[in-house]
Amino acid sequence: DSGVTQTPKHLITATGQRVTLRCSPRSGDLSVYWYQQSLDQGLQFLIQYYNGEERAKGNILERFSAQQFPDLHSELNLSSLELGDSALYFCASNSFRGSYGYTFGSGTRLTVV
Amino acid sequence: AQSVTQLDSQVPVFEEAPVELRCNYSSSVSVYLFWYVQYPNQGLQLLLKYLSGSTLVKGINGFEAEFNKSQTSFHLRKPSVHISDTAEYFCAVSDHGGYQKVTFGTGTKLQVIP
Repeated sequence: DSGVTQTPKHLITATGQRVTLRCSPRSGDLSVYWYQQSLDQGLQFLIQYYNGEERAKGNILERFSAQQFPDLHSELNLSSLELGDSALYFCASNSFRGSYGYTFGSGTRLTVV
Repeated sequence: AQSVTQLDSQVPVFEEAPVELRCNYSSSVSVYLFWYVQYPNQGLQLLLKYLSGSTLVKGINGFEAEFNKSQTSFHLRKPSVHISDTAEYFCAVSDHGGYQKVTFGTGTKLQVIP
């Protein structure tokens, strides 16, 4: 157990639907990062939050959004889902000026049918 | 901005043989360097990291990596691999900024052959 908790582990949904992925960072970590991993695109950075505020944005589609709540957990919302959104979605956390590098969760596997 | 190039997408190697996974990076500023390992159906796990100091870094499971600033490389090595080392390995880089966004390479799949 890495200390970063992601739920659900698996999600199957239909095209056009909306889903929410949840992440609880490791205790004491203020930063949360979301990544998408697919066979054709590899590991793609989506977005970063630090203590509730958005800090960096990567290749995140407009149909996707995220937020970090006061208790530091984060949610990634994916809407108008397409077949190509099927992927593993990882959350990672670290502490500002901490041990450097990320601690990853075990991911949510999203399948859009 | 930084970038990372992992030169080999797949590396097959026989059990107990040595292995080197290559990684080159590009950055206009000083960087931190990392190797992560991803076992099937799992998240990424930090293998080792270079922050400063000695250029030879030792990590978990017998892996080590050497930072070469002049060649902008951070190759990962293990003198004798085991079947259990079969996994995907990611090289990553971040700058020294406070928020430490990490850029990952495309990964190298290590296949250990019995």
